[in-house]
Amino acid sequence: DGGITQSPKYLFRKEGQNVTLSCEQNLNHDAMYWYRQDPGQGLRLIYYSQIVNDFQKGDIAEGYSVSREKKESFPLTVTSAQKNPTAFYLCASSGRESGGHPSTDTQYFGPGTRLTVL
Amino acid sequence: AQSVAQPEDQVNVAEGNPLTVKCTYSVSGNPYLFWYVQYPNRGLQFLLKYITGDNLVKGSYGFEAEFNKSQTSFHLKKPSALVSDSALYFCAVRLNAGNNRKLIWGLGTSLAVNP
Repeated sequence: DGGITQSPKYLFRKEGQNVTLSCEQNLNHDAMYWYRQDPGQGLRLIYYSQIVNDFQKGDIAEGYSVSREKKESFPLTVTSAQKNPTAFYLCASSGRESGGHPSTDTQYFGPGTRLTVL
Repeated sequence: AQSVAQPEDQVNVAEGNPLTVKCTYSVSGNPYLFWYVQYPNRGLQFLLKYITGDNLVKGSYGFEAEFNKSQTSFHLKKPSALVSDSALYFCAVRLNAGNNRKLIWGLGTSLAVNP
């Protein structure tokens, strides 16, 4: 988990509320990612960003929003439009490795935030 | 459709015995392959990856994996399992395509090492 922090570790939300999950990295990585993990479904990509001020939708972006104003930060907002937000949320980052190109990069993960809707 | 399969939801092995966690993939072109481990309520930890070269890749904690192009497999192995290896293991594949950074994930295999 080193170098990537996520906060809070546990988050409780009432229905109809927006909440923002924090992700910070000090690895000087260009790319950052948000995943959602549900039991038995593996990891599903929500959004990713390959550079500051740019991001792309992943496979399940509906009901979520992101921003990438700084290289080290990639916050995720879970909006009230997300129908079933209770899940474990994982942030990851990756950067150019020596002699490689982006598709060889290793993604490194934060410790996760467990969001529960009450 | 491009996909990664981990055919076993759970693997049970006795401590000290060799372990294998299976992964097969279906992608076009030459893939890059990754293994991660996840302990309960934690993020994923990188174990190893295959990019090119020797088909046998050695990684963290004594794990290794063998890339088999003809069988489109990348099975994770360890010669002698520890109880502390009990965790959830994920295989992931990335297409070898320039700036592509998206990973295709398997659904995970739960490994239980019994003392």
